[in-house]
Amino acid sequence: NAGVTQTPKFQVLKTGQSMTLQCAQDMNHEYMSWYRQDPGMGLRLIHYSVGAGITDQGEVPNGYNVSRSTTEDFPLRLLSAAPSQTSVYFCASSLRGEGAYEQYFGPGTRLTVT
Amino acid sequence: DAKTTQPNSMESNEEEPVHLPCNHSTISGTDYIHWYRQLPSQGPEYVIHGLTSNVNNRMASLAIAEDRKSSTLILHRATLRDAAVYYCILRDANNNDMRFGAGTRLTVKP
Repeated sequence: NAGVTQTPKFQVLKTGQSMTLQCAQDMNHEYMSWYRQDPGMGLRLIHYSVGAGITDQGEVPNGYNVSRSTTEDFPLRLLSAAPSQTSVYFCASSLRGEGAYEQYFGPGTRLTVT
Repeated sequence: DAKTTQPNSMESNEEEPVHLPCNHSTISGTDYIHWYRQLPSQGPEYVIHGLTSNVNNRMASLAIAEDRKSSTLILHRATLRDAAVYYCILRDANNNDMRFGAGTRLTVKP
């Protein structure tokens, strides 16, 4: 199993550009989520999905879109990048259900918006 | 959402036990207590979780207060590789999303 993979590892954007951060998992996990981590801070939840075709907002959803067309993939789109979106982005996945399941995190994408 | 409170930082000596505290006074009955850690330049990794009873695994132990309003992560013998930020998180069994706080930065001295 590759686990949770994220591409790219690094990205530099100009203000106003758009891009998609890719996230994929091969563990057949229903639950997937995106977090951002600013320097010296904890992670903040952007969007999450409990299964294909279902997405919902987290704490800081503004400026980001997501979709979940397959169980494996959960891309995060920045529609018009702003310097405030400079951050490290982590994707995670887990089983879903009434039990508590560990989340598996990807290695992160370091994004700089100039 | 139920919140957690942790000390900003703690220090430990190598090969000594470490007790990392967490307060979660507004915990609900469906909240599981999770601990994750984040090594430098890496994504968080799962450490342990529990609901009501104390839990042990190969990485650590989790001691949960009887009223569930606090918990303690115990690393039995700290190593230099345990230096990380440790996050105590409440995860609702019904909706599964997790909200991270600032965590505790653990420094391990040789």
